[in-house]
Amino acid sequence: GAVVSQHPSWVICKSGTSVKIECRSLDFQATTMFWYRQFPKQSLMLMATSNEGSKATYEQGVEKDKFLINHASLTLSTLTVTSAHPEDSSFYICSARDLRSLYNEQFFGPGTRLTVL
Amino acid sequence: KQEVTQIPAALSVPEGENLVLNCSFTDSAIYNLQWFRQDPGKGLTSLLLIQSSQREQTSGRLNASLDKSSGRSTLYIAASQPGDSATYLCAVFSGGYQKVTFGIGTKLQVIP
Repeated sequence: GAVVSQHPSWVICKSGTSVKIECRSLDFQATTMFWYRQFPKQSLMLMATSNEGSKATYEQGVEKDKFLINHASLTLSTLTVTSAHPEDSSFYICSARDLRSLYNEQFFGPGTRLTVL
Repeated sequence: KQEVTQIPAALSVPEGENLVLNCSFTDSAIYNLQWFRQDPGKGLTSLLLIQSSQREQTSGRLNASLDKSSGRSTLYIAASQPGDSATYLCAVFSGGYQKVTFGIGTKLQVIP
């Protein structure tokens, strides 16, 4: 149990276009999902916390108008990178908190590699 | 602000050797600490999760310890195998379990 999927696993886009990444909890409901970004040879950094039915909470330094998060259902959160630029190229990972877990554990998706040309 | 440091940054060992990976954190007010494995270009695989009230957790050849007062955790890998080659990440959960800070990881190579 507690499987999280992401789609697509990799995407290449042109500068200025928008890209949507989906994060799904496959066998549990997740009221809270998290989006992370990982640049090469750097640690994962939390970008935002996505709450079902309400606005996402963004970490300091993350532009909410550039990284649009929608958590419309208990099993799906989407991250849209708007007007992507080469500096947005990164590995994006989502996680979902399983309320059934005794420790409020987060389960991580396999990640999405975004390359902006 | 929580800071997580992992030492060493990289480690290369011969197959069969026992090894220890280190993780230190600056704020001892943590909720959980979790060790992950990350293969190149892949997501995270959870290895062990230690609650703040626990001292250690074991799974197979892996043992993780936690010393909150000193801000340290270690991941012990026994009888290392080439399949253990990966980057190992330490993650500290605080601020009501939702705030997580990751270390940069230790890249492990086990040589056959």
